[in-house]
Amino acid sequence: AQSVTQLGSHVSVSEGALVLLRCNYSSSVPPYLFWYVQYPNQGLQLLLKYTSAATLVKGINGFEAEFKKSETSFHLTKPSAHMSDAAEYFCAVSDQTGTASKLTFGTGTRLQVTL
Amino acid sequence: NAGVMQNPRHLVRRRGQEARLRCSPMKGHSHVYWYRQLPEEGLKFMVYLQKENIIDESGMPKERFSAEFPKEGPSILRIQQVVRGDSAAYFCASSTTANEQFFGPGTRLTVL
Repeated sequence: AQSVTQLGSHVSVSEGALVLLRCNYSSSVPPYLFWYVQYPNQGLQLLLKYTSAATLVKGINGFEAEFKKSETSFHLTKPSAHMSDAAEYFCAVSDQTGTASKLTFGTGTRLQVTL
Repeated sequence: NAGVMQNPRHLVRRRGQEARLRCSPMKGHSHVYWYRQLPEEGLKFMVYLQKENIIDESGMPKERFSAEFPKEGPSILRIQQVVRGDSAAYFCASSTTANEQFFGPGTRLTVL
């Protein structure tokens, strides 16, 4: 069974600072990995996804993530935080690759951006 | 192209009543998923459906919960005899045969 661990339920950074949100996964098959963002009282929006192509994945809003198989990690980064980045971020792994299947989510990391 | 639609956005029920949550997938999507988000927690998978078929219901509580995705019309998540512990945000997502899921805005269920 797949699982996802997000270290740090809350992360606070200053505006303009590097954002690093950690995600480690466990999967018995080559995984598909996703990062979603959730703003208050809204649904989830896909930031980026890894589907076994390039290990460095670029997403929307300046975010990117690097798939590291040896570390079973898929950390999310952004070089310079903006106030509008304050939200909840979820890492997820799919149950199967290449076909429609359920997602298993981490518990989320709430990002706070301060002046 | 409209996104995933869910209604109602907010639903209030008293204990013992029934809750019906609706989800219309994106145009061209034949796969629907339901997830539940409890306060301060991540999303938990409940059920995965295709038209007229339940593919995976491993996350559904054994009692009181049911889901359907008929040939015509939206997918329905039904909760019978609601209890306070059912209070949560329920999200629907849809996809094609590929694995990218698009999420709706959610239905926030409050059980009094």
